[in-house]
Amino acid sequence: QVQLQESGPGLVKPSETLSLTCTVSGGSISTFYWSWIRQPPGKGLEWIGYIYSSGSTNYNPSLKSRVTMSVDTSNNQFSLKLSSVAAADTAVYYCARAPSGSLLDHWGRGILVTVSS
Amino acid sequence: DIQMTQSPSSLSASVGDRVTITCRASQGISNYLAWFQQKPGKAPKSLIYAASNLQSGVPSKFSGSGSGTDFTLTISSLQPEDFATYYCQQYKTYPLTFGGGTKVEIK
Repeated sequence: QVQLQESGPGLVKPSETLSLTCTVSGGSISTFYWSWIRQPPGKGLEWIGYIYSSGSTNYNPSLKSRVTMSVDTSNNQFSLKLSSVAAADTAVYYCARAPSGSLLDHWGRGILVTVSS
Repeated sequence: DIQMTQSPSSLSASVGDRVTITCRASQGISNYLAWFQQKPGKAPKSLIYAASNLQSGVPSKFSGSGSGTDFTLTISSLQPEDFATYYCQQYKTYPLTFGGGTKVEIK
């Protein structure tokens, strides 16, 4: 059974860059799409984007100017960078597998990232 | 972007009740609709895809229906483990978008 685990700093200062990594176990990262989704406290879910194992990406236009995703197939990991963060970026960030790019079938447990000085 | 609107935003129900949640898309999405269950502090769990197909391991008390713009999730007999927040999500076009959620609480 594939499992995903998010990791990274839980606190980021305003204007800095948020960096998270998702480690995939129980299966190969190859030939799948991998997504990031976030959920501000007490609010709904927002799709950030996906990266394919080859490195191709598709970002939500609302965040596109600040988002960079990358993949490390040798370590079965993929990463998210969100630049110029503000308090509104405080959220639980989830990574998820999307076999066809859009259907999200396996999710990580999530990591809370707080933007504060 | 396709807007997804769920109703109600919350509901109170008793164990054994039949519960129906509605999701409406701002434009037609055929059957590219998924449902997720989320419990407090946990990741969303995939329940249904393609509007009416149960994910492996999901009990048959959950069912989904609809096509185009109007969809429903039904829980046939609510059990204590079903009290959670439910989200719909369209995957017809990017960006993927989610409904605002329906919180199912104990009456």
